[in-house]
Amino acid sequence: DVKVTQSSRYLVKRTGEKVFLECVQDMDHENMFWYRQDPGLGLRLIYFSYDVKMKEKGDIPEGYSVSREKKERFSLILESASTNQTSMYLCASAPDRLGLKQPQHFGDGTRLSIL
Amino acid sequence: DAKTTQPTSMDCAEGRAANLPCNHSTISGNEYVYWYRQIHSQGPQYIIHGLKNNETNEMASLIITEDRKSSTLILPHATLRDTAVYYCIVAGTYKYIFGTGTRLKVLA
Repeated sequence: DVKVTQSSRYLVKRTGEKVFLECVQDMDHENMFWYRQDPGLGLRLIYFSYDVKMKEKGDIPEGYSVSREKKERFSLILESASTNQTSMYLCASAPDRLGLKQPQHFGDGTRLSIL
Repeated sequence: DAKTTQPTSMDCAEGRAANLPCNHSTISGNEYVYWYRQIHSQGPQYIIHGLKNNETNEMASLIITEDRKSSTLILPHATLRDTAVYYCIVAGTYKYIFGTGTRLKVLA
């Protein structure tokens, strides 16, 4: 089974802090994704990466950056955390670049609160 | 990517089949239908996907109409642990669009 592991289930940070969310997958997948999930808005794609050191913006990249130095690890960075970034953050991975034939597999999420 | 329409909520008796419908009338020829579910406080769990043909795995069956404009996810013998929000997604690329899904409640 695919395993996508997010480093923290719950995280509390302060406004202005630099925040790192880590995600690791164990299936040698090419593609990794970061979403946020908010009530009434569903899941929204922040960034994704289709290869090491490669990244592309999703629908809501503002205020975030990402890092993929190794194939199995994809980090989401909040450069200067703000209260409107309080959310559930979900990481996913998939083997197929276009996501057509193989599904994305999700981690259990990090519930981030910015005070 | 095509959008989907699902009922907001459904109830199902434990042990009975749960049939969850999804409309995707604007689906394109190369777009797959995916189903996920999300149990409270967990990440979305992949269930099944298909392109044209009906599919079955150990969790569920997926029935796609011939015109591909709608599909039905079938949980053959629902249990209390199947209580979750079920999402139908149509995607031709990496870009999944999650709607609000169907909140399925399995009743004892």
